[in-house]
Amino acid sequence: KAGVTQTPRYLIKTRGQQVTLSCSPISGHRSVSWYQQTPGQGLQFLFEYFSETQRNKGNFPGRFSGRQFSNSRSEMNVSTLELGDSALYLCASSSGERTANEKLFFGSGTQLSVL
Amino acid sequence: KQEVTQIPAALSVPEGENLVLNCSFTDSAIYNLQWFRQDPGKGLTSLLLIQSSQREQTSGRLNASLDKSSGRSTLYIAASQPGDSATYLCAVTFLSVGSQGNLIFGKGTKLSVKP
Repeated sequence: KAGVTQTPRYLIKTRGQQVTLSCSPISGHRSVSWYQQTPGQGLQFLFEYFSETQRNKGNFPGRFSGRQFSNSRSEMNVSTLELGDSALYLCASSSGERTANEKLFFGSGTQLSVL
Repeated sequence: KQEVTQIPAALSVPEGENLVLNCSFTDSAIYNLQWFRQDPGKGLTSLLLIQSSQREQTSGRLNASLDKSSGRSTLYIAASQPGDSATYLCAVTFLSVGSQGNLIFGKGTKLSVKP
């Protein structure tokens, strides 16, 4: 069974540009969550999508947005990039069932550098 | 505000030693608690998940305990090996967030096991 796939693995952008990251969840999983990881703040939740609908959202500005397609693949977009957006962006997939033994499976991440 | 704290931030031990990593959280109303491992520049690997109704989980040389009333969890690693060197992250799903895609992470404990 293939794991969670994130593309691209690395990205270099300049301030003011926009970027789109992609995540393909494990087959059969309907929930995709996105996280930002920085040395200072650690891992922070961005948003979760389930069956093409945003189910939960973290405390990030509107420049950060996402969407999910009918095949459960998800994209995350960051507009008007700032230096502080440099981070490892991780996505996680799960079945989306709200049970106490629900595990999240993470991809390898996209390392974004903003110059 | 729900928070997860891990101590120590870093730990160095000789090979073969047994060790304990600590995690505390601010709200006892949780779905579950998970321990993850992260190697440098990589994604997260799920180690153990403890449901809110459970007291402990074991996998190989790893044992995780949960004390909801005191807001604490420990990860015990027996007979440590150099291959255990990584950052260990504790993550909690609080009931108030409404979905399991939103994990609150601690900052992690960076473990180094010396041969």
